[in-house]
Amino acid sequence: GEDVEQSLFLSVREGDSSVINCTYTDSSSTYLYWYKQEPGAGLQLLTYIFSNMDMKQDQRLTVLLNKKDKHLSLRIADTQTGDSAIYFCAEKGFQKLVFGTGTRLLVSP
Amino acid sequence: DSGVTQTPKHLITATGQRVTLRCSPRSGDLSVYWYQQSLDQGLQFLIQYYNGEERAKGNILERFSAQQFPDLHSELNLSSLELGDSALYFCASSVGGDTNEQFFGPGTRLTVL
Repeated sequence: GEDVEQSLFLSVREGDSSVINCTYTDSSSTYLYWYKQEPGAGLQLLTYIFSNMDMKQDQRLTVLLNKKDKHLSLRIADTQTGDSAIYFCAEKGFQKLVFGTGTRLLVSP
Repeated sequence: DSGVTQTPKHLITATGQRVTLRCSPRSGDLSVYWYQQSLDQGLQFLIQYYNGEERAKGNILERFSAQQFPDLHSELNLSSLELGDSALYFCASSVGGDTNEQFFGPGTRLTVL
């Protein structure tokens, strides 16, 4: 079955790196995604990684995929207060996206 | 701004009532997806339409139905509403029927009293 888990909360100081972790269960997932949800807003696609890749970097964002352990992480370098939001990982299951519970990132000045 | 629009932004209604949520996809996108976000269930996929036809079905209740019109906008109908249906309902769109990138609208917050 499909199940995606994330830790609920992460607090960092401005300028530090943030690492948000996710585990998934469907080994046949072809793509894995990170979405950001700011208060009162919809989900914004940040980045995604194909399952045959180990890493993808996009400016301040680095995605690491450990397919053996079914572990996905999102690293945000030089975290800013504007990065405070809920971050969802999602896997592409059969005909649908399966989302994790979301990690609330709080960035303090 | 993702280019996906949803109306209304907020909706307050009573139990037993019926409501219709509307979504307009990004220009050129043929697929529309509906999701429900609630505190206890998280973000759940409800249903997908592609070019007017139902493409995939998720955890959608029988009291709920959707359709996609020839101009590609979509409506989600929720009937016999219960307190537990209170949630944020998101619409997303993508170019094709099975593409990587789904673009989300701002959501409709439904409150059932």
